[in-house]
Formats: sequence, structure tokens, C-alpha cells
Amino acid sequence: NAGVTQTPKFQVLKTGQSMTLQCAQDMNHEYMSWYRQDPGMGLRLIHYSVGAGITDQGEVPNGYNVSRSTTEDFPLRLLSAAPSQTSVYFCASSRTLGTSSYNEQFFGPGTRLTVL
Amino acid sequence: AQSVTQLDSHVSVSEGTPVLLRCNYSSSYSPSLFWYVQHPNKGLQLLLKYTSAATLVKGINGFEAEFKKSETSFHLTKPSAHMSDAAEYFCVVRGGPKLYGGSQGNLIFGKGTKLSVKP
Repeated sequence: NAGVTQTPKFQVLKTGQSMTLQCAQDMNHEYMSWYRQDPGMGLRLIHYSVGAGITDQGEVPNGYNVSRSTTEDFPLRLLSAAPSQTSVYFCASSRTLGTSSYNEQFFGPGTRLTVL
Repeated sequence: AQSVTQLDSHVSVSEGTPVLLRCNYSSSYSPSLFWYVQHPNKGLQLLLKYTSAATLVKGINGFEAEFKKSETSFHLTKPSAHMSDAAEYFCVVRGGPKLYGGSQGNLIFGKGTKLSVKP
């Protein structure tokens, strides 16, 4: 049981390049999400998914695309990277997403992205 | 809308002295509250969670937090700091229904408190 895995661990891009951050979980969780962490800002939600084929925007979705074709995988795409997207990105998953649920969210180890 | 405010961006204590990390929340819905810890260059780990069963919640590594509805607070405490407690701590609220201005169950993070522990 690997939990939540993310690849790559580090990435440097030039402005305008595209890339995909990978996230996978092996816990059969319905809910998956992407956050970005910037100094002094905490973690902010980018996109989330409540199941295969279902995605929705979070607090800071601009510049990012997601899709969820399988329960296990939830990739995050940067179509045209900008320096403002320099950040640490965390993927998380939990059993469900419910307003009265106390499910723990499990976090991946993070991807540190630098856009020059 | 729901929000979380961590009142201190940085707290410094000496080893063996008590730790207090302050958190206030805003919610028109009955909140679910959490504390997460992030050690340097690591991911996030759940310290404890408020499940409404008891207002005093015990977590891992000797940490605990008390939910005070009248003060809308969920402060994190530990009686005696250890060097290994040096990390960043996040107070988190789970959003309520969108109908009430919530984030539909998604987590809302505070901006974090960096805890330094001096020998």
C-alpha cells in the first residue's frame, strides 16, 4: 500500500512550456484533489474530483487543467507555465467528500515546481 | 463563507516549555476542524481532528486541541516542547454545504504557524 504518490519530485520549466504532474493513489478513494503551497499562504485548492469523470474547480484553478479517467489517477496539467506557478504542489485523497464526513485526507510528498 | 485564521505566523519556544498555537475559525455551519503538521521539506501529516464527540481532542506526539464554540477557537497545545516538534502547523476547517457559503467538504487551510524550538 503506497498511499498517495506524486511524480516528479522536482521540476524546472521555462515560461510557456507545458507539463503534467502525476498523482496516483491505491486506496480506492473517491475524492482526490490538488493544492498549491506558497510561503505564508498555506495550501490553496486548485481542482478536485469526487470520482472518475467528475471534476470541479477550487479556489485557484486558472492556468491548470485536470481530468479523472480512473479512480486511481488524477493528473494536473499546466498548459503554458508562468513564473506565478512556481510553487509546491500537493495531491491528496480521501474516501469521500462529504460535508459531515470526518475522513482523513492523505497527502502525497509534493512536487516542487520552478518556472523560469 | 468559512475561514481559518492562525493568529501567529511564527512561535518560538524553549525545549521543555509549553506550546500554544492559536487558531480561530469562522463558520455558519457546524465545523469539522483539523491540525496538520509539516516538517521541513516533507508532506503533511494529520495531528488531530475534532469530531464533535468531545471538545478536548488528543492527537499524536502529545499534542491536543480544545474546541471552544463560544470563542470560535481551536488552539493547539503541548505541555512540553521537544526539538523534533519544530515544524509548520496548519489549522484546517472542512467546508460546509455551498448553500451556506461553504466549500462543499473541501479543506480550507490557515496560513500556517512555524514553530521553532530552542535548545
